Amino acid sequence: QKEVEQNSGPLSVPEGAIASLNCTYSDRGSQSFFWYRQYSGKSPELIMFIYSNGDKEDGRFTAQLNKASQYVSLLIRDSQPSDSATYLCEHGYSSASKIIFGSGTRLSIRP
Amino acid sequence: GAGVSQSPSNKVTEKGKDVELRCDPISGHTALYWYRQSLGQGLEFLIYFQGNSAPDKSGLPSDRFSAERTGGSVSTLTIQRTQQEDSAVYLCASSTHGSRGGLETQYFGPGTRLLVL
Repeated sequence: QKEVEQNSGPLSVPEGAIASLNCTYSDRGSQSFFWYRQYSGKSPELIMFIYSNGDKEDGRFTAQLNKASQYVSLLIRDSQPSDSATYLCEHGYSSASKIIFGSGTRLSIRP
Repeated sequence: GAGVSQSPSNKVTEKGKDVELRCDPISGHTALYWYRQSLGQGLEFLIYFQGNSAPDKSGLPSDRFSAERTGGSVSTLTIQRTQQEDSAVYLCASSTHGSRGGLETQYFGPGTRLLVL
């Protein structure tokens, strides 16, 4: 089992709808999670990070962390075509020698 | 500079040749990270520098890979005797302190696209 798993997609969502991206992890010792957006041919850019159980909202984005069930989600409200990208989940540890990224979910917002 | 820079942006080389990839982190950032991303894949963590030292080199794929950082700033990733499976995008990132390891926000450079023929 991979340490961080994401559905590779593509996930197709109509414009204006809510896009839901999920990431599951196997190591309960994890402390933090980061969501990055990566446009094709570009480098990743940070969207949000979350440390605590529950929801964290930032504009159209909401990160949800459930440590008991070992998953973290990213919700994108009012999806826009510009949200079409690959979304990477990162599982951070206090030891930087163990930084784990998921393989990413490709999101496509259709007009 | 305003962000992380990497050079070259693209590199085509022949199998068996050595290549050197450079990363210039954000000024003042103590921590520097190297990743490899193959086509359509996630990021594979290679190595992390705290200042000039790399506490853990176990992420490097083989002994053909080495990295150094001097003056707490620029880092160089060297791949000796390149193989076709080394073809990938090599990304560098930096963060403020690195003392909290993977708990800090990382800022990525544009990457070096390496193609080994």
